[in-house]
Amino acid sequence: SAVISQKPSRDICQRGTSLTIQCQVDSQVTMMFWYRQQPGQSLTLIATANQGSEATYESGFVIDKFPISRPNLTFSTLTVSNMSPEDSSIYLCSGGMEGGQFFGPGTRLTVL
Amino acid sequence: AQTVTQSQPEMSVQEAETVTLSCTYDTSENNYYLFWYKQPPSRQMILVIRQEAYKQQNATENRFSVNFQKAAKSFSLKISDSQLGDTAMYFCAFMKPAGGTSYGKLTFGQGTILTVHP
Repeated sequence: SAVISQKPSRDICQRGTSLTIQCQVDSQVTMMFWYRQQPGQSLTLIATANQGSEATYESGFVIDKFPISRPNLTFSTLTVSNMSPEDSSIYLCSGGMEGGQFFGPGTRLTVL
Repeated sequence: AQTVTQSQPEMSVQEAETVTLSCTYDTSENNYYLFWYKQPPSRQMILVIRQEAYKQQNATENRFSVNFQKAAKSFSLKISDSQLGDTAMYFCAFMKPAGGTSYGKLTFGQGTILTVHP
């Protein structure tokens, strides 16, 4: 397994601004992922963060809105750009490794 | 594309009793993994148990076990001797491994809220 931390744990932002969420893994992982979760609902994959190359986005998510960086095998960032109230959600990162996929504690974002 | 269906939005059980959560999935793949995750109110996703599709034997982890029926594409989770700390939302998830690895992106079911009553 792995220990994954995220910063910030929560934030309240104004419409039109951007927020960058950081994800740190305590060991090297080949694959990192970013998910979005509305409270009480299931997780939706935003993108796969690839080390050394551009992220792979799922249908309905675009790089201009959710730019992702993956500078090394233990760290990734997700930026939520030009936020609107519809972006209010919980954002989770995960690391894929032998045995399964392990998650960070999530970032609760509220956009006013 | 794969789909995962959890038909029980909510379940409840008395402490020390046994409860079974249902999950069905649809895929044309032959090599895949199935998982159950637990998400308590703290929202931390915790891996409960996993099953490799090529293994016929059902996975067990202490009080948690699965009933994996590959032909029926069914993957239920049984929790024995339920404890108050088992109260959480449970997600069933499907993973098709990426290119010769044993990891890849997950497709989640809708979730089942389990409440354990004292």
